[in-house]
Amino acid sequence: QKEVEQDPGPLSVPEGAIVSLNCTYSNSAFQYFMWYRQYSRKGPELLMYTYSSGNKEDGRFTAQVDKSSKYISLFIRDSQPSDSATYLCAMSKAAGNKLTFGGGTRVLVKP
Amino acid sequence: DGGITQSPKYLFRKEGQNVTLSCEQNLNHDAMYWYRQDPGQGLRLIYYSQIVNDFQKGDIAEGYSVSREKKESFPLTVTSAQKNPTAFYLCASSSDRAFGNQPQHFGDGTRLSIL
Repeated sequence: QKEVEQDPGPLSVPEGAIVSLNCTYSNSAFQYFMWYRQYSRKGPELLMYTYSSGNKEDGRFTAQVDKSSKYISLFIRDSQPSDSATYLCAMSKAAGNKLTFGGGTRVLVKP
Repeated sequence: DGGITQSPKYLFRKEGQNVTLSCEQNLNHDAMYWYRQDPGQGLRLIYYSQIVNDFQKGDIAEGYSVSREKKESFPLTVTSAQKNPTAFYLCASSSDRAFGNQPQHFGDGTRLSIL
């Protein structure tokens, strides 16, 4: 079983809808949580970076971390066709440890 | 503009050949990393370097080698010992030597294929 699980999709939504993405993980030692967006043939771009449990909002993006359930989420409001990409979650343990990535979820926002 | 530059964008390797992928950053970051991305498997760490002239193996280092002679450069060599090299290779850097304290930023990758 992988340490970080992420549904590969594709997740197809109409323009303007809320996109809901999530990852589950098995190791309770993870403390830092990240979401990256990756367009085809490009490198991942950091969207959100959070530490421990709670919510963080940045524009149309909201990241949630529930450490008791070992579950993290990313919500994209008012989705646009330009949001069509693969979204990767990543996490790391206390300082000095490597990132562990989910396999990515492909999102398609249809006009 | 500050960023991470990977070259070439596409690379082809013949059987028995070593190839070197370039990664240069002008962000003044201490730490640099190499990942391999295969479809549906996310990113897997090959090597990382937290300071010049020092580097450590990641999860899948066999068949790869690196050097870190300059702060801004971290080239990756895919050797003939790597039997399944076809993948998308990503270089990243971060401003903190310790993983997790600062997020990693990525280049746009090199796609390596076998001829």
